Amino acid sequence: GQSLEQPSEVTAVEGAIVQINCTYQTSGFYGLSWYQQHDGGAPTFLSYNALDGLEETGRFSSFLSRSDSYGYLLLQELQMKDSASYFCAARPGTGRRALTFGSGTRLQVQP
Amino acid sequence: NAGVTQTPKFRVLKTGQSMTLLCAQDMNHEYMYWYRQDPGMGLRLIHYSVGEGTTAKGEVPDGYNVSRLKKQNFLLGLESAAPSQTSVYFCASSGDPGSNQPQHFGDGTRLSIL
Repeated sequence: GQSLEQPSEVTAVEGAIVQINCTYQTSGFYGLSWYQQHDGGAPTFLSYNALDGLEETGRFSSFLSRSDSYGYLLLQELQMKDSASYFCAARPGTGRRALTFGSGTRLQVQP
Repeated sequence: NAGVTQTPKFRVLKTGQSMTLLCAQDMNHEYMYWYRQDPGMGLRLIHYSVGEGTTAKGEVPDGYNVSRLKKQNFLLGLESAAPSQTSVYFCASSGDPGSNQPQHFGDGTRLSIL
């Protein structure tokens, strides 16, 4: 089976940096994805890490450590529009070819 | 660019009624998925399909059926709706997950069962 754990809520101020952690337990592992979802909206893909290390996409970066079964999403220069829920997701190494999602971290950016 | 389109966007049902949710994608994706999202519980996979004519069970398949008669469409059926199925339902599609293709989501169907 698979499970992904992430904090339920994070609060930060505009212009700051915030890190959202995700730890996972899987019977196999093909990489960690991150999705963003605004209230009332659909999830949208942010990033994917197949290998250990940091992937950078603009203000967002994502990190993976396979040896620690851990990853994080780093958001820099926070803007009010970054207030949303962020989900980590992983695909098992064998069997079901579909993602398992964490329960999500609600980020609130304050002025 | 339509992407993934879900129909209907909202629906209210009475317990015991049946209905079908339609998902259509225009990206020629092989893989399609149905999720439900409840407050504080993230996205849970109901059923998915790896190609036309195929279906497979996800984490929470009980009470739901699916069909993938055409590559672009993935239907989710509730044969006898129950209040526990009140949720927001999302459909998604993707290319081959083995090549790390991201999932593209529809805008969701908000379903209430009284």
